Amino acid sequence: NAGVMQNPRHLVRRRGQEARLRCSPMKGHSHVYWYRQLPEEGLKFMVYLQKENIIDESGMPKERFSAEFPKEGPSILRIQQVVRGDSAAYFCASSPRADTIYFGEGSWLTVV
Amino acid sequence: GDSVTQMEGPVTLSEEAFLTINCTYTATGYPSLFWYVQYPGEGLQLLLKATKADDKGSNKGFEATYRKETTSFHLEKGSVQVSDSAVYFCALSSTGNQFYFGTGTSLTVIP
Repeated sequence: NAGVMQNPRHLVRRRGQEARLRCSPMKGHSHVYWYRQLPEEGLKFMVYLQKENIIDESGMPKERFSAEFPKEGPSILRIQQVVRGDSAAYFCASSPRADTIYFGEGSWLTVV
Repeated sequence: GDSVTQMEGPVTLSEEAFLTINCTYTATGYPSLFWYVQYPGEGLQLLLKATKADDKGSNKGFEATYRKETTSFHLEKGSVQVSDSAVYFCALSSTGNQFYFGTGTSLTVIP
C-alpha cells in the first residue's frame, strides 16, 4: 500500500510566481490535511479537506492560498504570487476516518 | 483551545541512556494523543498513539502512557541508539478536524 505521495519534493519559484503542490492520499483515505513547517518551527495546520469539500480552513492565510480535493485526482495546495516568507516545507497528511493521520514526505518550497 | 506543550530541546544523550521527552496537553473532551518522529529531510512518521486514559502506546522500544489526571503523554525509551536521533513531535486530536502539534524536540544520540 503506497504511502501519501507528494510532488514535487522540491520547488523553486521567483517572487510573484505561482506554486502548486500536489498530494495523493493513501488508498482508501478520504481525509486530507495540509500543514506548513517553517525553518526551526513546528507544524502549523492549514486546511482539512474531504473529497470536494473544505471542512476546516482556519489555518489558511486569507489571501493567495487555496486548496482543493476534487472528486478525481490529487489534492492541490495553490499559492499565488509567492513571497519569500512562503518558503517552507509543506506537508500533506491523509486519514481513513480522521482518527490518525499519515504524512507524506513533504514539498520544500523555496522562493527566490 | 486545544494545545500541546512539549519539552524544549535540543536533547543530547549517550548511546544506551534513558530517554524522557515531556508532553502535556490542554483539550476539551477526550483527545487522542500521538507521538511522531521526523528524520532530516523527511516527513513525520507515526511512532505511537493512545486513544483513552491509561492506554499505553508502544513501538520500537518507545512508550508513552495517556495520563488524564496530569494531562500528560511523556515519551520514554529505556536505551537509545544513534539511529534514534531525530525530532519528536507530540500531537493531539479531539475532533479529527485538526491535529495539534507541539514544537518538536530534537534528540541527538552520540556513540
